Amino acid sequence: GENVEQHPSTLSVQEGDSAVIKCTYSDSASNYFPWYKQELGKGPQLIIDIRSNVGEKKDQRIAVTLNKTAKHFSLHITETQPEDSAVYFCAATDSWGKLQFGAGTQVVVTP
Amino acid sequence: GAGVSQSPSNKVTEKGKDVELRCDPISGHTALYWYRQSLGQGLEFLIYFQGNSAPDKSGLPSDRFSAERTGGSVSTLTIQRTQQEDSAVYLCASSARQTQETQYFGPGTRLLVL
Repeated sequence: GENVEQHPSTLSVQEGDSAVIKCTYSDSASNYFPWYKQELGKGPQLIIDIRSNVGEKKDQRIAVTLNKTAKHFSLHITETQPEDSAVYFCAATDSWGKLQFGAGTQVVVTP
Repeated sequence: GAGVSQSPSNKVTEKGKDVELRCDPISGHTALYWYRQSLGQGLEFLIYFQGNSAPDKSGLPSDRFSAERTGGSVSTLTIQRTQQEDSAVYLCASSARQTQETQYFGPGTRLLVL
């Protein structure tokens, strides 16, 4: 089955710097890759997603890149702000179309 | 529009009691998922519904856990004879269809078993 690995588990950045979170997956049939942000005490919220027919997608300060050959995808946050502090989860669909989630990255943005 | 809602938001129960957790998906969403998230951990898949049927129950940790969905809408997750290790946040998500679709999460139910 699908196995999604996410790194790093924690990430501390200075406000204004960039943050990068990387995920790898195992199932070559995966073709949908969402990223979720979870703030303390809340459910995960979708922030950006990418499908396998594109290599990069950008939405303001957030971008996601996908390398299907290498089976990895990354989340890039530029000009980080304190409100970006949260846990971020990557996910990939398995061969049944079910999402498999990474273990999460705790991002802390220090002023 | 209204998102996924869950109730109760918090539940404290005594070991051995049964609990029911409710999920109201986004209107029109045919797929519904239950996950469990222990403190500081990732998302553990429990069960998936397509309409009222559950083609994938592979994540239910024991026969004390069950779930049902009626009318293709509301779902209830039931935990019988709760144990302390059942303490976690139970999250529900829905999507328009099952395959390759965005899942939208509710706020979760925080369950504490004393």
